[in-house]
Amino acid sequence: QVTLKESGPGILQPSQTLSLTCSFSGFSLSTSGICVSWIRQPSGKGLEWLATICWEDSKGYNPSLKNRLTISKDTSNNQAFLKITSVDTADTAIYYCARRAEYYDGYYPPMEVMDAWGQGASVTVSS
Amino acid sequence: DVVLTQTPVSLSVTLGDQASISCRSSQSLEYSDGYTYLEWYLQKPGQSPQLLIYGVSNRFSGVPDRFIGSGSGTDFTLKISRVEPEDLGVYYCFQATHENTFGAGTKLELK
Repeated sequence: QVTLKESGPGILQPSQTLSLTCSFSGFSLSTSGICVSWIRQPSGKGLEWLATICWEDSKGYNPSLKNRLTISKDTSNNQAFLKITSVDTADTAIYYCARRAEYYDGYYPPMEVMDAWGQGASVTVSS
Repeated sequence: DVVLTQTPVSLSVTLGDQASISCRSSQSLEYSDGYTYLEWYLQKPGQSPQLLIYGVSNRFSGVPDRFIGSGSGTDFTLKISRVEPEDLGVYYCFQATHENTFGAGTKLELK
């Protein structure tokens, strides 16, 4: 069974660095084809993709936030991390991590999908 | 950046009706390998998003056949025939052909 769980500071002040952890089970980030993505959602608003890290350590970042984001992983402890520097109130959101893995239904060629999501971690930036 | 424009923003339906959601991309979503990496996710109230459709038209495991994805290039549609109570929530299209992007969402609610 694949599970993911996000954890973070809950509340932090403007200009600080936000550090988030995604702890997962049921898969390994050292397995070929496996990636973990971070997505956030401000209250009452839509989803925003932030970053993705894959098994071979390739990384992708949202261009609009790239200068502030750092994604990393600890494969031995089944964790992925996201750091966001210089936060402000606009970074207040629920932060999700999701597994991106190849899915094959036996018919259509295998394709990477976000097939499992965590429950989300609430982060508030406030002075 | 690729922009995904979803319409309508909200959709009020009667149970049993058909619902249709459009997702238009600012660039073609066909990748150089010939595949189109367009997905649909549903976020039910108070829950995390869940995958419905991948590769434009392929239903994920366990997704009922009343969910039908279609389209190509820059224009995509999700149709839900015979809307049921568990279908209510916000639908997002998502593209992974270029830098990943979500649409702004379409809220499906009861009339």
